[in-house]
Amino acid sequence: GAVVSQHPSWVICKSGTSVKIECRSLDFQATTMFWYRQFPKQSLMLMATSNEGSKATYEQGVEKDKFLINHASLTLSTLTVTSAHPEDSSFYICSARNTDGWNQPQHFGDGTRLSIL
Amino acid sequence: GENVEQHPSTLSVQEGDSAVIKCTYSDSASNYFPWYKQELGKRPQLIIDIRSNVGEKKDQRIAVTLNKTAKHFSLHITETQPEDSAVYFCAASKGSGYALNFGKGTSLLVTP
Repeated sequence: GAVVSQHPSWVICKSGTSVKIECRSLDFQATTMFWYRQFPKQSLMLMATSNEGSKATYEQGVEKDKFLINHASLTLSTLTVTSAHPEDSSFYICSARNTDGWNQPQHFGDGTRLSIL
Repeated sequence: GENVEQHPSTLSVQEGDSAVIKCTYSDSASNYFPWYKQELGKRPQLIIDIRSNVGEKKDQRIAVTLNKTAKHFSLHITETQPEDSAVYFCAASKGSGYALNFGKGTSLLVTP
C-alpha cells in the first residue's frame, strides 16, 4: 500500500514550453501533497505544499506564477512549470501521506526529471 | 525555520563494518525524524523514522537514536552490505503530515 505515482518520469523540451507533472496517490487519499525540487548531488528542497480544494502554500523564493499547483481531488496534485527555462531543469518529486490513520509516513513519487534545452 | 545539518557528506566503509550518520536540527518544535535512502535517479525511500516520544528505534540492521535535549539524531547501520551503498537523507518536521526539512545527504559507499 501507500503508492505514489508521478508522471511523466522524464521530460525534455524547448525553452519557453510549459510542462505539467502529475502526482497521484494510488491507494489512499491525501488532502496534502508536497512538491520538492532536487538539483544534481543536492538535497531535496521544498517548493510548495499542495492542499486539496484550496490554494497551495509556496516557500520563500518560489514563484507561484511560474510553478502552478492544482490539487483538485484527494488523489491528484499537478505542478505546471510555465515558460520553462534551462535553469528550471531539475528533478521534481512529490510526496503524499495517507491521512486516514494516525502517524502515517510520507511516501514519495518516482520523480520527474525535467530537462529544458 | 527549521535547519537540519547532516554529517558526514561522504562515508566509505568496508562490508561488515558499521556506519553512523549524524544530524542536528534547530527547531525545538520538530518531533518527527525520518531517514530516507535514495539510489541514483530514484525516489527517496523511507527506511526508518522516530518520533520525539522515544529515544531509540531499531529495525533489523538499522537503528536510529534521538536526543531531544541536544537536538540531534543519528542513523546506525550495522553489518553493512554493498547494497547499502546510496545517499541517505535525514529530515525533521513537526509531524509526519508536515513538510520535511532535509539534511544535505550522506553518500555511503560500502566496499566488498
